[in-house]
Amino acid sequence: QTVVTQEPSLTVSPGGTVTLTCASSTGAVTSGYYPNWLQQKPGQAPRALIHSTSNKHSWTPGRFSGSLLGGKAALTLSGVQPEDEAEYYCLLYYGGGYVFGTGTKVTVL
Amino acid sequence: EVQLVESGGGLVQPGGSLRLSCAASGFTFSSNWMHWVRQAPGKGLVWVSRINPDGSSTDYADSVKGRFSISRDNAKNTLYLQMDSLRAEDTAVYHCARIGGDPVGWGQGTLVTVSS
Repeated sequence: QTVVTQEPSLTVSPGGTVTLTCASSTGAVTSGYYPNWLQQKPGQAPRALIHSTSNKHSWTPGRFSGSLLGGKAALTLSGVQPEDEAEYYCLLYYGGGYVFGTGTKVTVL
Repeated sequence: EVQLVESGGGLVQPGGSLRLSCAASGFTFSSNWMHWVRQAPGKGLVWVSRINPDGSSTDYADSVKGRFSISRDNAKNTLYLQMDSLRAEDTAVYHCARIGGDPVGWGQGTLVTVSS
């Protein structure tokens, strides 16, 4: 069974920078896994932020960026705002199916 | 703007069946892959199933394979999830979603509770 692992929680100060990572139990994450990143706030449906590693949607704030880093997918938040406090999930494609990451709770403090 | 509205959730006994629906609007439904994703109370997101634009190809998570069936009616812009042999661990909010590149969007979800 494939497991996609994220940091359980991260804390960042307002205006700071934080990087979330997404690792696959099958090995290095590449662009062929089409990494997606989603944000979910309590009581809300998820909202897509990034697709295909680094592509933003029209509503994605410029402070969010996606990349590949050391064999993992990564989401970097630069100039963090209080409204960025949320749960973040990565999503990887495994050729016929998808697996979500375990999720990272980002706290802005 | 992508709009997805799920319905059909509710309370069902273990071993029972339920059919979820998802009404889509704001994009060309018939041209896009569609997905079901679930989230148990207080837990993370779990991918369940996907279907290609004309309904001829489907994929499932191992946890639901053989019990759940995804389908679509492009004339009605509606996505379905037939859930049979339901178990307590299937209890979750079920979202339909367009995932990946634009158009992309998520429904608010419908709650399925499997309990006696």
